[in-house]
Parts: sequence; C-alpha cells; structure tokens
Amino acid sequence: DAGITQSPRHKVTETGTPVTLRCHQTENHRYMYWYRQDPGHGLRLIHYSYGVKDTDKGEVSDGYSVSRSKTEDFLLTLESATSSQTSVYFCAISDKGTSGSYEQYFGPGTRLTVT
Amino acid sequence: DQQVKQNSPSLSVQEGRISILNCDYTNSMFDYFLWYKKYPAEGPTFLISISSIKDKNEDGRFTVFLNKSAKHLSLHIVPSQPGDSAVYFCAASAAGGTSYGKLTFGQGTILTVHP
Repeated sequence: DAGITQSPRHKVTETGTPVTLRCHQTENHRYMYWYRQDPGHGLRLIHYSYGVKDTDKGEVSDGYSVSRSKTEDFLLTLESATSSQTSVYFCAISDKGTSGSYEQYFGPGTRLTVT
Repeated sequence: DQQVKQNSPSLSVQEGRISILNCDYTNSMFDYFLWYKKYPAEGPTFLISISSIKDKNEDGRFTVFLNKSAKHLSLHIVPSQPGDSAVYFCAASAAGGTSYGKLTFGQGTILTVHP
C-alpha cells in the first residue's frame, strides 16, 4: 500500500470555523490531490498540486484553499466551514509509472461534519 | 455536466457468475481510463486501467473493455466472489501539461455478490 496518511480521520466542527485537513505521503510522489466524496456525485476534485508550491483548482474549489510547502505534505483548508462542506475528504498521490500512466493512490479519508 | 457517467447505481450478482459494470464518457480528450474499488470506511483502491490505444486489458479475474467510438468502457469480473462486493468507480484522464493525472470520476456502482 502507498504510504499515505490523513489527519484527522474524523472531525466535527461548527459553521463558520476554519478547518485544516492534512495529507502526508512517504512515497516522494510529485502529484497530490484533494477530493470530496458525496452520494450521487462520486469523487470530485477540489484542488491538486503538481509540485512544491505549485497548485491549481479542481472542479469544486470554492470555499477551499490548499498549500504544499514540502513534497510530503498537502494541506486543505476550509476557510469558513459551511454545512454543504460536510463530506468525506480523500487525499491521493500519483507519479509517472513505468508505462507512462498516472494511477492515483488514495488515503483512508477524513469524515468531516459541519454542524 | 457529468463527463463520466455510471448509469447503474447498483448491481446484484450470484457468486461465480460474471459481473459487468458499465461507464460512459462524453469528453473526447480522455485518453486513459481507470477502475477503482472502494470498501466502506476506506479509500478507493486502484484496480485496473486502459489506455485509449488499446481496446482490452486483462488482469486476472478483471478485464476492462474500451469502445472509443461509443465512448463506453466496461469492467468484467469473472468469476465474481463475495469479497468483490464494493463500490466501483470508473475514472478518466486527459494527458498533457500540468493537467496530467487529473481524474474525472463517475458516480459509482454498488456491486453486491451473493453467495
């Protein structure tokens, strides 16, 4: 299994508070991603990073920011949490495989509840 | 605009029989396709992939078929086992530049294999 950890694994927070989720990898992979999983939507990309300090938006980036100050860590911040951000958040990593493919490997997820 | 669609929310199959999971896409720029399996309370795990230059890829009990003209792919599991019961996501990627590796996921199909 790829060495990916997420913290915290569970969090309950109140509307309007900032929240930061952490993804840590030990694989030295170049690419890192944050997704959210919601019923009926599958996994949707929030933000991704293609190198240290290099990040870009995904399809559902509003209300989220990210930072990557070193290869192994990718932080996702909800600047002011809302109930619509209640979800399960997954971090993923990837790098170029021998076949030129970029399979992504996922962390265990963080279940976030905003009350 | 759902670019990757899994139109069957669920599928029920008898142990030992074939499971066929389907996926359709609309973006003609997609050139790499993947299937992931997800158990409850865990992150998705990579199962099998296929490049657009191929129409079939096989790995043990799992075979993925790609029909580019129909923009359709399918995952065949033969024979199905109770341990295959999970949510299956198809995903697609368009290569090139900093977008390399970004995945667009379908909504998922819940597969239940009955003993």
